[in-house]
Amino acid sequence: DAGITQSPRHKVTETGTPVTLRCHQTENHRYMYWYRQDPGHGLRLIHYSYGVKDTDKGEVSDGYSVSRSKTEDFLLTLESATSSQTSVYFCAITRSGGTEAFFGQGTRLTVV
Amino acid sequence: ELKVEQNPLFLSMQEGKNYTIYCNYSTTSDRLYWYRQDPGKSLESLFVLLSNGAVKQEGRLMASLDTKARLSTLHITAAVHDLSATYFCAVDTSGTYKYIFGTGTRLKVLA
Repeated sequence: DAGITQSPRHKVTETGTPVTLRCHQTENHRYMYWYRQDPGHGLRLIHYSYGVKDTDKGEVSDGYSVSRSKTEDFLLTLESATSSQTSVYFCAITRSGGTEAFFGQGTRLTVV
Repeated sequence: ELKVEQNPLFLSMQEGKNYTIYCNYSTTSDRLYWYRQDPGKSLESLFVLLSNGAVKQEGRLMASLDTKARLSTLHITAAVHDLSATYFCAVDTSGTYKYIFGTGTRLKVLA
């Protein structure tokens, strides 16, 4: 257990509403990642962070923003949810470059 | 831009048979990882490969890395039903912090 908690675990929201997903870690790791998992696409990187207030875009960042004001929390925000953002979202952390990633349990988001 | 491709995407095999999953990536890297995901679950780490020629083995699974060919393989020996899962490879590159996954290989081992 790498001490990663995602919240909420499940959420149903309406199109056009803002949604924030939280990833919380207890082990003070520097690198944090948000992925979405969809059938046929594997895991696609949305945004990542390499330190407090240091974030960058991944492969599929359009429609998403992130913030990291504390080492332990990495927030993913859908400013105006769309049905195409229905997915399972995973948060991951790594201790440093060249190390394995540890994953949270995932958040299943449905946009109706 | 770093791209990671796996093949096959789906693999149905008989118990006791051997097979190999391939992972190709597009840019120079000597850091490759393999993960397993059971249905409805999160991902768990299987192997970390950090140099050309690296080979790791755990039970019936063996992973190797050829950085010159930008290729990693995950070899399954004498498959058993418990190996049924989706397997992902991932690559990160020094200095970019990006950690990119392949599309996954869904393995089904038939009794």
